[in-house]
Amino acid sequence: DQQVKQNSPSLSVQEGRISILNCDYTNSMFDYFLWYKKYPAEGPTFLISISSIKDKNEDGRFTVFLNKSAKHLSLHIVPSQPGDSAVYFCAARANTNAGKSTFGDGTTLTVKP
Amino acid sequence: NAGVTQTPKFQVLKTGQSMTLQCAQDMNHNSMYWYRQDPGMGLRLIYYSASEGTTDKGEVPNGYNVSRLNKREFSLRLESAAPSQTSVYFCASSERGRAMSQFFGPGTRLTVL
Repeated sequence: DQQVKQNSPSLSVQEGRISILNCDYTNSMFDYFLWYKKYPAEGPTFLISISSIKDKNEDGRFTVFLNKSAKHLSLHIVPSQPGDSAVYFCAARANTNAGKSTFGDGTTLTVKP
Repeated sequence: NAGVTQTPKFQVLKTGQSMTLQCAQDMNHNSMYWYRQDPGMGLRLIYYSASEGTTDKGEVPNGYNVSRLNKREFSLRLESAAPSQTSVYFCASSERGRAMSQFFGPGTRLTVL
């Protein structure tokens, strides 16, 4: 059973608009969440993270929201830019897991000029 | 400062052949990881090393072995390659701690015929 799910394989938005990428998890032991961005033929790069003691974390155009009761988090990108076109992975980690992360399957974001 | 490097970038093997994927990091990180990514899927952890001298199985360890040669290097060995091991392999490293993000290498694209 997949513990981290990204139910939208793809998302297309217009440049300048908001992109919202969603992620759901099932394991209540997860208490730290990360988003990674991946361009083709490259490794993932860290984007933003959030601890379960917070419900929001912001870094420039990127904001991650966490709803613990719903076991749901979302990544907002405002405004979206063509260079944001990439695959976005949600990852979750439990305090007992020695740094290991469980990844979702990713959402491919396309930002159209 | 190269970050995480992986060799080779591409490899084609025949069923039953063996090979070792090499990974090195120059960030003095304690923890290192090997993931595989299959098309349309997220990253699945094969093995990890929380610190020099220790290794542990991840989610999909069957058919693989690892060696944490020193603090910098973490290799992944396929003793008898199978077509099911066709995938893109990513090595990553991080500092210890739940809040530490992982730094990924560029990946090795492996095809087993």
